[in-house]
Amino acid sequence: KNEVEQSPQNLTAQEGEFITINCSYSVGISALHWLQQHPGGGIVSLFMLSSGKKKHGRLIATINIQEKHSSLHITASHPRDSAVYICAVTLNQFYFGTGTSLTVIP
Amino acid sequence: DSGVTQTPKHLITATGQRVTLRCSPRSGDLSVYWYQQSLDQGLQFLIQYYNGEERAKGNILERFSAQQFPDLHSELNLSSLELGDSALYFCASRPGTVNTGELFFGEGSRLTVL
Repeated sequence: KNEVEQSPQNLTAQEGEFITINCSYSVGISALHWLQQHPGGGIVSLFMLSSGKKKHGRLIATINIQEKHSSLHITASHPRDSAVYICAVTLNQFYFGTGTSLTVIP
Repeated sequence: DSGVTQTPKHLITATGQRVTLRCSPRSGDLSVYWYQQSLDQGLQFLIQYYNGEERAKGNILERFSAQQFPDLHSELNLSSLELGDSALYFCASRPGTVNTGELFFGEGSRLTVL
């Protein structure tokens, strides 16, 4: 049973394209996290959401609590955005999606 | 640099052995989280400590234990190691507990069990 489902699993985009990664979850949550993991392995937290929408630079994250769904958008994608993006939800413990591997081609 | 320090970065050991992974959280952060990332199971939450006390438990095996010390650093002890324990072990810290801000991750400790 997967508490968190992400789609797509893999995504290849041309530089400059608008990218959307989706996350659906089946458990009650207090917050949802979007994480970025580069090939070297390090993990960076991009967003923590409990409602609405957040924006950092070219990244936008939205969450719909009623529909148990979140999206991560990347505008004007760049090769340096190539990474694995992981959705995680938390109440008392964490549940992770399997990640979306994004490759942005110049 | 996240401010979270994990040691060692790499560790190779044999089945049946015991290892200790160490995590120093960001200055002032009271919560420490431990995660395991393996190729076949992805990221999994192991355990959380807050100001020295266990706060939440995830998929942590009985062979594994953790603690957080008065100076807030944390250690994850893995014993009777099996091949399947080979993984990246991350710790993360944040100031408080639930919904108290972003998580800051260490660079991970890569454990290889031969």
